[in-house]
Amino acid sequence: EMQLLESGGGLVQPGGCLRLACAASGFTFTTYAMNWVRQAPGKGLEWVSGITGSGDYTYYADSVKGRFTISRDNSKNILYLQMTSLRAEDTALYYCAQGPLFDSWGQGTLVTVSS
Amino acid sequence: DIQMTQSPSSLSASVGDRVTITCRASQDISNYLTWFQQRPGKAPKSLIYAASSLQSGVPSRFSGGGSGTLFTLTITGLQSEDSATYYCQQYSRYPYTFGQGTNLEIK
Repeated sequence: EMQLLESGGGLVQPGGCLRLACAASGFTFTTYAMNWVRQAPGKGLEWVSGITGSGDYTYYADSVKGRFTISRDNSKNILYLQMTSLRAEDTALYYCAQGPLFDSWGQGTLVTVSS
Repeated sequence: DIQMTQSPSSLSASVGDRVTITCRASQDISNYLTWFQQRPGKAPKSLIYAASSLQSGVPSRFSGGGSGTLFTLTITGLQSEDSATYYCQQYSRYPYTFGQGTNLEIK
């Protein structure tokens, strides 16, 4: 069964850093592009970042470009999102999603940026 | 960036009704459009991809249409479990963008 499990969320001060992880199982990880999508409390969905299956190409929303870095470890079937210079507006539930069509999603990990 | 605009923002309908949600793209995205359903407290679920292709396991009462800049999601024979927020998303080019969502309430 295909599964995505996010981890690494928590409370962090403005300007701080956090690394999210998404452990994938039940499918051939290397053949799928992967994405991060976030949802601020009570708000809609916002695509954050994407990465190709090989990891050769990465893409970012303007709101996080230069602060967030997406990467993947295909030997461990894990997707990462390194977040730096965090702001209050980065507070959200962060989901990882499979493939270019976002076929499957994890349950999310909550990031709260507050002093 | 491509802007995605959904209408209406919310609607209320009864079990058995037929409802249509519209999504408009700010530029031509061909058929690179997906529809998602998100129930309260749950992760989004993909319903339709390539504008009109039904994801595996999704009931046939859901259908999608359109191409270019105008798209629709139609639910025929509403069920109580269809109460949710629906989002369109374009994957024609980066950055991918979502519509603002349509909240569907079942009376």
